[in-house]
Amino acid sequence: NAGVTQTPKFQVLKTGQSMTLQCAQDMNHNSMYWYRQDPGMGLRLIYYSASEGTTDKGEVPNGYNVSRLNKREFSLRLESAAPSQTSVYFCAMSRDRGPGTEAFFGQGTRLTVV
Amino acid sequence: DQQVKQNSPSLSVQEGRISILNCDYTNSMFDYFLWYKKYPAEGPTFLISISSIKDKNEDGRFTVFLNKSAKHLSLHIVPSQPGDSAVYFCAASAYGTASKLTFGTGTRLQVTL
Repeated sequence: NAGVTQTPKFQVLKTGQSMTLQCAQDMNHNSMYWYRQDPGMGLRLIYYSASEGTTDKGEVPNGYNVSRLNKREFSLRLESAAPSQTSVYFCAMSRDRGPGTEAFFGQGTRLTVV
Repeated sequence: DQQVKQNSPSLSVQEGRISILNCDYTNSMFDYFLWYKKYPAEGPTFLISISSIKDKNEDGRFTVFLNKSAKHLSLHIVPSQPGDSAVYFCAASAYGTASKLTFGTGTRLQVTL
């Protein structure tokens, strides 16, 4: 999806391992988000960042940390992966809140924790 | 507590006919509603949206209707095409929440020839 790049696209981790999912956007938008998608659950917000240097918890933040070091990049870190974190992770961005503010999503990272 | 509900997991429609996807919500603070389309192995892509001050928004073959009193919205696709086959997510946000979206569980639309 144009504008949001996620790496890696696929990853297999062992329980207890750590990893960082990377996300970068090139549309100079202020707001960025991390969602996870599980079967039958839709997409659920993990963390979001309304601007550089600020982050806030979403609906399912436990087991995750995030970092917004600059306007372009927003990373998601799993310190000690658990099988319950097996999911597809999507990064998204949007302009500030206002009419027509839709979010643009990356292609996703499929993570399996064994 | 599912604040945005899509009660039909799947829908099959013939090419050329109308597809109607439904969505219900419970949170009265939601004031902006969006529909996203998702193909396998891709991220969701924005389709159409509607503000709570309107009851209808149209964009080509896609129309979204909002019934605030019933807390219900629907997406109409006319005419349906095979390329419309995808999973459709309804999403909602509340004013001042930096576009944090609450998603429904999705409806898989299959458009048959």
